[in-house]
Amino acid sequence: EDQVTQSPEALRLQEGESSSLNCSYTVSGLRGLFWYRQDPGKGPEFLFTLYSAGEEKEKERLKATLTKKESFLHITAPKPEDSATYLCAVQAQGDYKLSFGAGTTVTVRA
Amino acid sequence: NAGVTQTPKFQVLKTGQSMTLQCAQDMNHEYMSWYRQDPGMGLRLIHYSVGAGITDQGEVPNGYNVSRSTTEDFPLRLLSAAPSQTSVYFCASRRRGDSPLHFGNGTRLTVT
Repeated sequence: EDQVTQSPEALRLQEGESSSLNCSYTVSGLRGLFWYRQDPGKGPEFLFTLYSAGEEKEKERLKATLTKKESFLHITAPKPEDSATYLCAVQAQGDYKLSFGAGTTVTVRA
Repeated sequence: NAGVTQTPKFQVLKTGQSMTLQCAQDMNHEYMSWYRQDPGMGLRLIHYSVGAGITDQGEVPNGYNVSRSTTEDFPLRLLSAAPSQTSVYFCASRRRGDSPLHFGNGTRLTVT
């Protein structure tokens, strides 16, 4: 069974204070690892897909990286508008379903 | 395109009542799914469908039914609501393959 564990559960940052979120996974053959952002009262919004170890993707202040066992979401010089819950999910080879982690809630103070 | 539309946004039920949560997508996506989200537990898959007429169970299917008569619609039925079904429910769809899931904005359900 696919498993996804995210840490920490919550992260409080000062504006401009860079940090990283971790997503550890076990899956029988990775087809894709997905990062989502979720704002309160909204559905998750897609950020990135990573397919193979060594791959990196960037969007504004966010950068996602992938190894064979983990993915990291780096937030560089965060702003208050980066405050959200960040979710990680994996899809196994030959499967349609995504398995999600419990998320990391990031709060950025001005 | 409206994307994924869920109705209602909020619902309060009494124990034992039944109801249907509606989900519609206008992106011609083959795959549709229902998740529930509870504090500290993340998104858990209830049921999913890979095309019209095809449905399957996810991680937590008990107490829920689904059907897929058209590509666009994927309703979730609660047969006899229980307080344990108090949650936020999300519908999501995607194309085949490894494309990302597109989510609706959820239905917040309270069962008293």
